[in-house]
Amino acid sequence: EDKVVQSPLSLVVHEGDTVTLNCSYEVTNFRSLLWYKQEKKAPTFLFMLTSSGIEKKSGRLSSILDKKELFSILNITATQTGDSAVYLCAVADNNNDMRFGAGTRLTVKP
Amino acid sequence: DAGVIQSPRHEVTEMGQEVTLRCKPISGHNSLFWYRQTMMRGLELLIYFNNNVPIDDSGMPEDRFSAKMPNASFSTLKIQPSEPRDSAVYFCASSLGDKKWPQHFGDGTRLSIL
Repeated sequence: EDKVVQSPLSLVVHEGDTVTLNCSYEVTNFRSLLWYKQEKKAPTFLFMLTSSGIEKKSGRLSSILDKKELFSILNITATQTGDSAVYLCAVADNNNDMRFGAGTRLTVKP
Repeated sequence: DAGVIQSPRHEVTEMGQEVTLRCKPISGHNSLFWYRQTMMRGLELLIYFNNNVPIDDSGMPEDRFSAKMPNASFSTLKIQPSEPRDSAVYFCASSLGDKKWPQHFGDGTRLSIL
């Protein structure tokens, strides 16, 4: 059965810390892996990763995919209170289906 | 540009009542999705439309749930009769083209069935 597993489930850090969020998957016919940030309302799209080893960056956020070991990490450096959110990982397959992980709840304290 | 627009933002009603949730996708997007999010089950896909046609409704929990997309700019998700276990946040999302990603989400409707 296909699955997407995120860890940790929750994380509390202080401003300025660096965090690493993990997403492992077992999906038949993998196509892409996506990261979303969900604050109080809707998930907002962060990154889409299709190829191994190519880091995607957006400001203090970066992500990389390892298709051999079947996981991705999302790094956030110099965290700020505004980074507090649930971070969702989703995997899309060649059948055009998408499966979400349960999310990691990140809390950044001042 | 306007994003995905959902209404109402909040709905509180008694069990047994009919509930209708509404969604306007981003103009030009031809794929539309309805999701349900709960603490216990996370984000679950209920139904997926492409070019106004339901493609995959395998996530619809039971016959009490129905969804329609009469045109490219409007969709509804209806629950009749509603039950307390339907309480959740319901998201609508849309995407461009035939791929299901990346999806742009609306702000959701928080539904509470008493």
